[in-house]
Amino acid sequence: AQSVSQHNHHVILSEAASLELGCNYSYGGTVNLFWYVQYPGQHLQLLLKYFSGDPLVKGIKGFEAEFIKSKFSFNLRKPSVQWSDTAEYFCAVTKGSSNTGKLIFGQGTTLQVKP
Amino acid sequence: NAGVTQTPKFQVLKTGQSMTLQCAQDMNHEYMSWYRQDPGMGLRLIHYSVGAGITDQGEVPNGYNVSRSTTEDFPLRLLSAAPSQTSVYFCASGRERNTIYFGEGSWLTVV
Repeated sequence: AQSVSQHNHHVILSEAASLELGCNYSYGGTVNLFWYVQYPGQHLQLLLKYFSGDPLVKGIKGFEAEFIKSKFSFNLRKPSVQWSDTAEYFCAVTKGSSNTGKLIFGQGTTLQVKP
Repeated sequence: NAGVTQTPKFQVLKTGQSMTLQCAQDMNHEYMSWYRQDPGMGLRLIHYSVGAGITDQGEVPNGYNVSRSTTEDFPLRLLSAAPSQTSVYFCASGRERNTIYFGEGSWLTVV
């Protein structure tokens, strides 16, 4: 079945450690890719998005992601995490340019950063 | 938040009751959608709209109805609530190839 997979369900890091969260999708053709963050008790906020162009995308709060089309991947990275990055992270995909509103989400990764 | 308002924030229903979750946006977005969030499953699309008068089913539409009579509003109706509909519901809106904005969520418990 077509899907979005996040391989890390729960990640625990110390402050200043580097972060990489995996995201793979199984759709062929054009896709748009997103990473959202959800802080405890809050709504989803967009970290970054990829539609086309440079496959290395920079987002807010020092996050970046790289789209590797051959690997169907869109991994999220941050060189040095902070305690305030503790949250749940969701990778999401829309198929084609006319389906922007129909996000397909991964299962989410809970990140816990220890001070 | 960027202008997506959901009400109520919390609701407890008895099995078999009906209710409507309200969603409104003031950004003139053509796309609006409803998702439910369950532990370990991410967010799943319930229903979707590309404009007033146009709706479509998402991944988990059973037990829910929607309508889009105006650009601003996209209510989600639970026809006969079941315990399996206990979840957190998020409304979202956006434009073509642009950021999708989410509301703050509605926590629904069906007992």
